[in-house]
Amino acid sequence: NAGVMQNPRHLVRRRGQEARLRCSPMKGHSHVYWYRQLPEEGLKFMVYLQKENIIDESGMPKERFSAEFPKEGPSILRIQQVVRGDSAAYFCASSDTGAVQPQHFGDGTRLSIL
Amino acid sequence: KQEVTQIPAALSVPEGENLVLNCSFTDSAIYNLQWFRQDPGKGLTSLLLIQSSQREQTSGRLNASLDKSSGRSTLYIAASQPGDSATYLCAASRGADGLTFGKGTHLIIQP
Repeated sequence: NAGVMQNPRHLVRRRGQEARLRCSPMKGHSHVYWYRQLPEEGLKFMVYLQKENIIDESGMPKERFSAEFPKEGPSILRIQQVVRGDSAAYFCASSDTGAVQPQHFGDGTRLSIL
Repeated sequence: KQEVTQIPAALSVPEGENLVLNCSFTDSAIYNLQWFRQDPGKGLTSLLLIQSSQREQTSGRLNASLDKSSGRSTLYIAASQPGDSATYLCAASRGADGLTFGKGTHLIIQP
């Protein structure tokens, strides 16, 4: 009964490269959330997706960031042309039916930009 | 815009003591409030979830309360143990969107 799986656990990129972060929700969960934790700051909501749909992307930076949750396969958070300020821990969470259910978190991807 | 504040930011107590962590939120129109623990370099472990219609939830040595009208929640930890050392986060949900987190309380239980 696997939990939320994120990979890679650690990712190093040079400025200007692309970063792809993957998240497989818990079995049976169709709601996926992405959060970012910057050093010395709390977790900030980025985007909420259901299968093939973006429900709320109000926390997503307007440029360079995108997210998808295809019908088959994991959810992907994509960061284009990374900059040093993108260095953070990125967490994915999933839930069963949305708002009234608890969100279960993965162990995160630590992104470092050289 | 929802804001969540946690007090204290850090707490160090001897093993065996009972303790209370505080969380306040500015917008009382929440669906639920969730408490997590985060260990260094790890993800978040869900501890308790209180629905907006509930007053409290209990799990083992943990008890969480919710007072929507005053915008407050507390996490009570009984008979603390060194293994309880972690950062404790509270988060409020407004509905079909993401959680709004506080910055956490860093807890150290001294053996």
